[in-house]
Amino acid sequence: EVQLVESGGGLVQPGGSLRLSCAASGFTFSSYSMNWVRQAPGKGLEWVSYISSSSSTIYYADSVKGRFTISRDNAKNSLYLQMNSLRAEDTAVYYCARAPNWNFVGWQDYWGQGTLVTVSS
Amino acid sequence: AIRMTQSPSSLSASTGDRVTITCRASQGISSYLAWYQQKPGKAPKLLIYAASTLQSGVPSRFSGSGSGTDFTLTISCLQSEDFATYYCQQYYSYPQLTFGGGTKVEIK
Repeated sequence: EVQLVESGGGLVQPGGSLRLSCAASGFTFSSYSMNWVRQAPGKGLEWVSYISSSSSTIYYADSVKGRFTISRDNAKNSLYLQMNSLRAEDTAVYYCARAPNWNFVGWQDYWGQGTLVTVSS
Repeated sequence: AIRMTQSPSSLSASTGDRVTITCRASQGISSYLAWYQQKPGKAPKLLIYAASTLQSGVPSRFSGSGSGTDFTLTISCLQSEDFATYYCQQYYSYPQLTFGGGTKVEIK
């Protein structure tokens, strides 16, 4: 069974940093590209970032470019999102989500349960 | 960026009803569209990709159609477990993937 479990969320002050993790199991993590998608409280979904299976291709939404860094450790079956210079508008539940193959930017076929990031003073 | 507009934003329906949700893209996206279902407090679940291909395990009462700029998600016979919010997503203009604003399906 595919499982994605996010962690690392919490309360952080504006301008602060946070690192999210996503632990994957139930599939060959190194064979799939991954995404981060977020959802502000009571709002819709917003794609944040993408990383290919080998980390050779990385993309960011314009709203986070230059502040967030996506990475992965295939030996540890883990995905990460380093978030710096956080703003109130970054407050959201952050989901890690799997793409259906190794180098595909498109739909997401499995999602984790999400971790809440709150940016507030 | 391509804007995705869903209508209606919410609807009320009864079990057994046929429900149709519309998603319109601000420019043509061929068939590069996915649909997701999200229940309160839960992660989104993929229903359909490539506009009309049903994800494995999704009940056949769900169907998708359309291409270009206009798309529909149809639930042929609404079940109690289908009350949720539905989102469309375009992946034509990657890497800037964009979602529609959502359609909440509520019990009448």
